[in-house]
Amino acid sequence: KNEVEQSPQNLTAQEGEFITINCSYSVGISALHWLQQHPGGGIVSLFMLSSGKKKHGRLIATINIQEKHSSLHITASHPRDSAVYICAGLTDKLIFGTGTRLQVFP
Amino acid sequence: DAGVIQSPRHEVTEMGQEVTLRCKPISGHNSLFWYRQTMMRGLELLIYFNNNVPIDDSGMPEDRFSAKMPNASFSTLKIQPSEPRDSAVYFCASTRSIIGELFFGEGSRLTVL
Repeated sequence: KNEVEQSPQNLTAQEGEFITINCSYSVGISALHWLQQHPGGGIVSLFMLSSGKKKHGRLIATINIQEKHSSLHITASHPRDSAVYICAGLTDKLIFGTGTRLQVFP
Repeated sequence: DAGVIQSPRHEVTEMGQEVTLRCKPISGHNSLFWYRQTMMRGLELLIYFNNNVPIDDSGMPEDRFSAKMPNASFSTLKIQPSEPRDSAVYFCASTRSIIGELFFGEGSRLTVL
């Protein structure tokens, strides 16, 4: 069992839909990262959070420390949101989830 | 700022050859990470440096892999001798502190024939 697990592995959506990607972890972490990797391969850090909620544009990330769970929400999804989304928990190093591949169709 | 710069972007080499990947972190960032990404294993941390000192190299697969950071603006990851199973995308990332936001380079895609 991976220490950081994501669901779903694959997700398809129609443009405009509300999207949720989940991340659960079984180890103690000091922070959690959400990363985005586009088909071209580059990785961009979306959020780093250790409690509560953060919002950036149409993206919202939440974390529940007690439940060891984080979610990434995308409101009004758009085809350009199509990417792999990766969560990573920070212990003494980053432990990565396996990623969620999102495809948003027009 | 130019961001984290990696070179080469693509490398194709033959088994047994030495491979050197290079990374220039963002100026002012104190921590530098080398990651490897494969289809089978996803993203894996190989090694990270804090203030140019290797802190955790437990992810380095074996003695064929070595990494150096001679100064705050440059790091190398070397594979000698390379093997086909080393084929992957190698990412370098830097951050202002170990708990800070990560900034990734665009990766070096290595193919070992």
